[in-house]
Amino acid sequence: GEDVEQSLFLSVREGDSSVINCTYTDSSSTYLYWYKQEPGAGLQLLTYIFSNMDMKQDQRLTVLLNKKDKHLSLRIADTQTGDSAIYFCAESRLGNTPLVFGKGTRLSVIA
Amino acid sequence: EPEVTQTPSHQVTQMGQEVILRCVPISNHLYFYWYRQILGQKVEFLVSFYNNEISEKSEIFDDQFSVERPDGSNFTLKIRSTKLEDSAMYFCASSVGGKGDGYTFGSGTRLTVV
Repeated sequence: GEDVEQSLFLSVREGDSSVINCTYTDSSSTYLYWYKQEPGAGLQLLTYIFSNMDMKQDQRLTVLLNKKDKHLSLRIADTQTGDSAIYFCAESRLGNTPLVFGKGTRLSVIA
Repeated sequence: EPEVTQTPSHQVTQMGQEVILRCVPISNHLYFYWYRQILGQKVEFLVSFYNNEISEKSEIFDDQFSVERPDGSNFTLKIRSTKLEDSAMYFCASSVGGKGDGYTFGSGTRLTVV
């Protein structure tokens, strides 16, 4: 079945850039997502990218997609302490089909 | 901004008891979902619901689980006889459908089975 893999931990200094990586197996993935989960909270959609795009930028966030290698990354510029959270990569085939999530990457930002 | 509302935020129940988790999806959304997250693990899909019926379910969603949309606004997940391993955070989500940014998740219900 489909699988999504992420590294579990990332630690960066405040003001540096963070890069969170994700790989997926389903070549039929149409949408790829990044969700943020703060402690005790729900899943907040940060951004998503359609599979025919290579890059998407939204303020401090840059998503890169390498469809050939099935690799997705999220870059957070000028990382702040408020960015400390768990970041989930997810994919779906269509805009309404179930999401397949990775295990999440815990980002710790050191002041 | 419209949001998905889940109640209760935390429920403690005894093993073998029935629980009902409640969700109010966004009013113009057409697709409804339940996901769960066991502590420290992946968020896992349970079931999707469209046009008043289950459209897809995972192997986790066995006969102990059921979903219902009893009126025009609520979407419920029932677990008939809870087990210790049902302890998890349960997330409801809804989607417009057809667009990648259509998913909205609720804040979750933490279910603790003792």
